[in-house]
Amino acid sequence: DQQVKQNSPSLSVQEGRISILNCDYTNSMFDYFLWYKKYPAEGPTFLISISSIKDKNEDGRFTVFLNKSAKHLSLHIVPSQPGDSAVYFCAASDRGGGGADGLTFGKGTHLIIQP
Amino acid sequence: KAGVTQTPRYLIKTRGQQVTLSCSPISGHRSVSWYQQTPGQGLQFLFEYFSETQRNKGNFPGRFSGRQFSNSRSEMNVSTLELGDSALYLCASSTTGGADTGELFFGEGSRLTVL
Repeated sequence: DQQVKQNSPSLSVQEGRISILNCDYTNSMFDYFLWYKKYPAEGPTFLISISSIKDKNEDGRFTVFLNKSAKHLSLHIVPSQPGDSAVYFCAASDRGGGGADGLTFGKGTHLIIQP
Repeated sequence: KAGVTQTPRYLIKTRGQQVTLSCSPISGHRSVSWYQQTPGQGLQFLFEYFSETQRNKGNFPGRFSGRQFSNSRSEMNVSTLELGDSALYLCASSTTGGADTGELFFGEGSRLTVL
C-alpha cells in the first residue's frame, strides 16, 4: 500500500510559468514532509521541507503548501526555469516514531520545462 | 567537504550471484541509509545504520543485508540475485538520521543490472 502518492508521473510546463507538483499521503502519523530533486545520473538533493505545524514554507522560487485535512501537499515553482527540469520526489516521515525512521518516498514526478 | 561516495557506480551480475555495494558518508555523518530506486516503485527504504547499529529496516527480504563500520562507512549485500533486483541503489548520510535535521545527502548511486 503506497503511503505517499505522486499521481502525475510527468508534467510539462512552459518556461516562466508556474509549476505545481502534487503529493498525497495516507498515513496520518506523518508530520514532516520534504521534497527532493533528482537529475539523471545524480543522487536526489534536498529542496525544501515543511513541518505539520505549518501550512506553508517558502524558499526563493520554491513554496511548499500543506493541507493536513486533505492529506495533500504541493510544491510550487515560480517562475519555472530550464534547470528545474528533473524528477521531483515527495517524502514523508513520522518523527514521532522515535529515532530516525526512513523516509517514505513517492514514485516521483518528472518535470519538463519547455523553452 | 567531500560528498557521499558510492562504489561501484555500475555493475552487472547474473542471477544467483551476490553483490556488495559500498558507501562512504560525508565526514562527521554517523547515519547511513540505503534506498532502492526502480522505475515502477520509486525510492524504497532498505535500512538505516547509526553508530554501527541497524536502527530501521524496510520491507525487503533477508537476502538484503548491510553493515556499518566504526568509521561510519557502510556496505550493503544482496545474495542470490534475482532479475527484479536490478535497480539504482542509493546511499544517503546525515548527522543523526532524523528527518528533522532536514536533509539526507545522497550519493550518486550504484546501478546494478542482473542478467
